Amino acid sequence: EDKVVQSPLSLVVHEGDTVTLNCSYEVTNFRSLLWYKQEKKAPTFLFMLTSSGIEKKSGRLSSILDKKELFSILNITATQTGDSAIYLCAVGRYGNKLVFGAGTILRVKS
Amino acid sequence: NAGVTQTPKFRVLKTGQSMTLLCAQDMNHEYMYWYRQDPGMGLRLIHYSVGEGTTAKGEVPDGYNVSRLKKQNFLLGLESAAPSQTSVYFCASGRFPGGQGWQDEQFFGPGTRLTVL
Repeated sequence: EDKVVQSPLSLVVHEGDTVTLNCSYEVTNFRSLLWYKQEKKAPTFLFMLTSSGIEKKSGRLSSILDKKELFSILNITATQTGDSAIYLCAVGRYGNKLVFGAGTILRVKS
Repeated sequence: NAGVTQTPKFRVLKTGQSMTLLCAQDMNHEYMYWYRQDPGMGLRLIHYSVGEGTTAKGEVPDGYNVSRLKKQNFLLGLESAAPSQTSVYFCASGRFPGGQGWQDEQFFGPGTRLTVL
């Protein structure tokens, strides 16, 4: 059975802290790994990773994939209150379906 | 471009009632999906469609039906609602894969919060 596990389930940090969110997976027909940010409504796309060891970066957010050990991390540096959200990890499979993890709830306190 | 839109935004049903959720996308995407999101369980795929006139079951299809009569619309039906179907429902769409720059990215609608009493 396909499985995507995110950790921690939730965390609370102070503004300016750096956080690392984890995503491990066991999915057949792996094609990609995606990160989404979900605030109050629809998940919004952050990154898609397909190759091991190549970091993707967008501002204070960065992510990397390890296809040998079957995990990805999402780093957020210098956190701000606007980073408070649920962060979802999903694995894209051949056949165009995504398998989602349960998400990590991040709360950034000012 | 409106992207992906969903109606209604909220709905309360009594057990046994039926309803249809409507999803529309204006990005000319081939693929469309219905998910439900429950606390602590992430997004789970209910049904999906790879093109007009086609539908397929996802991970949790029981109690739901879908139709895709037009490429831009994907309907999710509940024939006899049960309290276990209380959830937030998201519709998503995605491009046909392949070629340069293919992406697995799916674009999500704002969600429908459904409560079944």
